Amino acid sequence: DAGVTQSPTHLIKTRGQQVTLRCSPKSGHDTVSWYQQALGQGPQFIFQYYEEEERQRGNFPDRFSGHQFPNYSSELNVNALLLGDSALYLCASSLANTDTQYFGPGTRLTVL
Amino acid sequence: QKEVEQNSGPLSVPEGAIASLNCTYSDRVSQSFFWYRQYSGKSPELIMSIYSNGDKEDGRFTAQLNKASQYVSLLIRDSQPSDSATYLCASEANSGYALNFGKGTSLLVTP
Repeated sequence: DAGVTQSPTHLIKTRGQQVTLRCSPKSGHDTVSWYQQALGQGPQFIFQYYEEEERQRGNFPDRFSGHQFPNYSSELNVNALLLGDSALYLCASSLANTDTQYFGPGTRLTVL
Repeated sequence: QKEVEQNSGPLSVPEGAIASLNCTYSDRVSQSFFWYRQYSGKSPELIMSIYSNGDKEDGRFTAQLNKASQYVSLLIRDSQPSDSATYLCASEANSGYALNFGKGTSLLVTP
């Protein structure tokens, strides 16, 4: 039973560039949530996708956008990268309206 | 602003002792609470969830919830060096929606 997978593992970008991160949920899960974890901080909720729609959004600017595909996989896009966007980006999957969220290994984004 | 507060630590305990990790939350509508363990450079791993006032035990772990005091704790009995990690407390206001995390408490179990 495959767990949550994310790609790429690491990514280095420069300020102003755009980045796309990918997530495949755990088998049987239909809901994907994205979190940003800065060094020394807890994960911060970015948004959640269910039925290919953004269902809930955290306090992040419009530069952060996402998408969910019919196979439940998801993408996180960040435009106009800032140095402060450097963080570990975590994807978590769950079954709709259940509590347990399982995290993927994360993508480490470095913005220079 | 919905806050989940944790002492950042580090909390240092000797091997075999009980480690006690604490968390408070400000949003009274929070219904569900979770403890995640995160090793350095890795992603969070769910240890326990708790929904009702009182204690919930799972192996060496016991979660405690007091909604009146808005307080959640995690006890780790017979602590092992492999328990050394950051422990994240999270709350959830609506089932299946966003998790609100604290900053985490660093635990060091010394041999």
